[in-house]
Amino acid sequence: DAGITQSPRHKVTETGTPVTLRCHQTENHRYMYWYRQDPGHGLRLIHYSYGVKDTDKGEVSDGYSVSRSKTEDFLLTLESATSSQTSVYFCAISDYLRGGLAGGGTDTQYFGPGTRLTVL
Amino acid sequence: AQSVTQLGSHVSVSEGALVLLRCNYSSSVPPYLFWYVQYPNQGLQLLLKYTSAATLVKGINGFEAEFKKSETSFHLTKPSAHMSDAAEYFCAVSVGSSNTGKLIFGQGTTLQVKP
Repeated sequence: DAGITQSPRHKVTETGTPVTLRCHQTENHRYMYWYRQDPGHGLRLIHYSYGVKDTDKGEVSDGYSVSRSKTEDFLLTLESATSSQTSVYFCAISDYLRGGLAGGGTDTQYFGPGTRLTVL
Repeated sequence: AQSVTQLGSHVSVSEGALVLLRCNYSSSVPPYLFWYVQYPNQGLQLLLKYTSAATLVKGINGFEAEFKKSETSFHLTKPSAHMSDAAEYFCAVSVGSSNTGKLIFGQGTTLQVKP
């Protein structure tokens, strides 16, 4: 299994409070992703990173920010949590460029165990 | 733009029966396609992937999928269901042209296996 941990694993917070979720990897993979999982929606990409200090938005980025100051850590921050952000959050990593388009690890993403966030 | 549609949010089979989970994709470029499985309260685990090498792809736990370009499909099958196969399954397509490794996921299909 890929070395990916997420913390905390569970969190209950109140509307309007800031929340930071952490994703830590020991694989030295270049790409990291944050998804949220909601019933009927599958997984939706929030933000992703393609290197230290290099990040970009996904399809559901409103209300979220990210930072990546080290290869191994990718932080997701909810500046002011809302009830609509109650969800399960997954981090993923990828060695997309390492294998190249010809094969190997191309595009395979490996997922962390998830963080269940409840905003009251 | 790429997209993925999984037909049927819930599929129920008897133990020992054929498993068929349907996935159709839309992509303007040759796609990379994936099936992931999620067991309760766990993250996603890769079952198999298609990266244009062979149209019939074999994965873990006896699953396989066939890429059919003419039908834009990548259905997942297993000849004989086991109770341990009960889980949620996700099909995904890679947004390969953007060089970011991003995936677009289908809505998921929950597989129930009855004894």
